[in-house]
Amino acid sequence: AQSVAQPEDQVNVAEGNPLTVKCTYSVSGNPYLFWYVQYPNRGLQFLLKYITGDNLVKGSYGFEAEFNKSQTSFHLKKPSALVSDSALYFCAVRDSTGFQKLVFGTGTRLLVSP
Amino acid sequence: EPEVTQTPSHQVTQMGQEVILRCVPISNHLYFYWYRQILGQKVEFLVSFYNNEISEKSEIFDDQFSVERPDGSNFTLKIRSTKLEDSAMYFCASSALRGETDTQYFGPGTRLTVL
Repeated sequence: AQSVAQPEDQVNVAEGNPLTVKCTYSVSGNPYLFWYVQYPNRGLQFLLKYITGDNLVKGSYGFEAEFNKSQTSFHLKKPSALVSDSALYFCAVRDSTGFQKLVFGTGTRLLVSP
Repeated sequence: EPEVTQTPSHQVTQMGQEVILRCVPISNHLYFYWYRQILGQKVEFLVSFYNNEISEKSEIFDDQFSVERPDGSNFTLKIRSTKLEDSAMYFCASSALRGETDTQYFGPGTRLTVL
């Protein structure tokens, strides 16, 4: 079965510093990986996805993610964090069977301090 | 930009009552999903729906749950007799295609509180 793991419950970073939110995956077959962000009292907003091709995927709001097949990782990155990036971030993998539901990680809370 | 909408934003109900959560998917999308997130836990898949029938459902989606697309625009989730453990945030999502590469777009969620 497909799964993703987010090893950190919370990541703290100062504004202006680079940020990384970690995700590792376990899949049978090709990995189709997604990052979503959830702001307080809001739904899940799509940030980016890895399908195939370049290992560095660029997404919304200046975020990017690095796909590493040998380490089975898909870490979310941003060169310079903003206070407004503070939110809950979810990594997800597309289930390759059936109608391809998303399987989510447990989420990582990002806190960017001024 | 088109978006998925959900109503109500918050629903409070008594245990044993029926609730209907409503969603309006993005207009040209064909695949619809419900997920839920119990407070402090991960987002979990409930059901997917295509061509007016359930495509896949999880173990959570038992006989107390049903889905419907009553009028070509709305997509509803009904819980027949709510339990305390149904308290959660319920998210609707839609996608244009079924493919593995297609993106699911989520609504803002309905917070269901069962007392």
